[in-house]
Amino acid sequence: AQSVTQLDSQVPVFEEAPVELRCNYSSSVSVYLFWYVQYPNQGLQLLLKYLSGSTLVKGINGFEAEFNKSQTSFHLRKPSVHISDTAEYFCAVSDWGGNQFYFGTGTSLTVIP
Amino acid sequence: DADVTQTPRNRITKTGKRIMLECSQTKGHDRMYWYRQDPGLGLRLIYYSFDVKDINKGEISDGYSVSRQAQAKFSLSLESAIPNQTALYFCATSDSGTGNYNEQFFGPGTRLTVL
Repeated sequence: AQSVTQLDSQVPVFEEAPVELRCNYSSSVSVYLFWYVQYPNQGLQLLLKYLSGSTLVKGINGFEAEFNKSQTSFHLRKPSVHISDTAEYFCAVSDWGGNQFYFGTGTSLTVIP
Repeated sequence: DADVTQTPRNRITKTGKRIMLECSQTKGHDRMYWYRQDPGLGLRLIYYSFDVKDINKGEISDGYSVSRQAQAKFSLSLESAIPNQTALYFCATSDSGTGNYNEQFFGPGTRLTVL
């Protein structure tokens, strides 16, 4: 079975500052990794995903994440945040068959003007 | 636009009542999922279905049942609702046909309150 740990439940950051949202996973098998964003009163949208290949993955809205197999991490970064980035962010893993998905508990990002 | 829709969007009910949440999709995807979201707990998988004849329990299926009426429709039922089933419920889909089955597309959610 897999599990996902998001180390920070809330992250406040000033506008135009960089941000990193941390995600660690545990799994006995190879996995696929995802970051989703949830804006208030909306469903989840895919930000980016790592399936294979380059460990640095670029997503929408200027976000990127780096897969580190030795540290079993998949941290999300953005060099300069905007007010519109205020949302809940979820890290998730699935097995290669896509049979089940496991989500972290979420990180609430608040961008301060 | 191809989409995932959920009805109702909000529902308040009483303990012991039977409730059905419905999910429809126009994406043509074969796989469908039901999750619940609780504050501080993230999303947890309730049931998933890979086609009309395939139903599988997820992490927290107790107290829930599902029906896959067609490829496009996947309903979640609470036979006798209890207060700790108060949560935000999401339906999601994915497509195994393109090989991109790991990417899930979510509906807008149903907020259920059980009094």
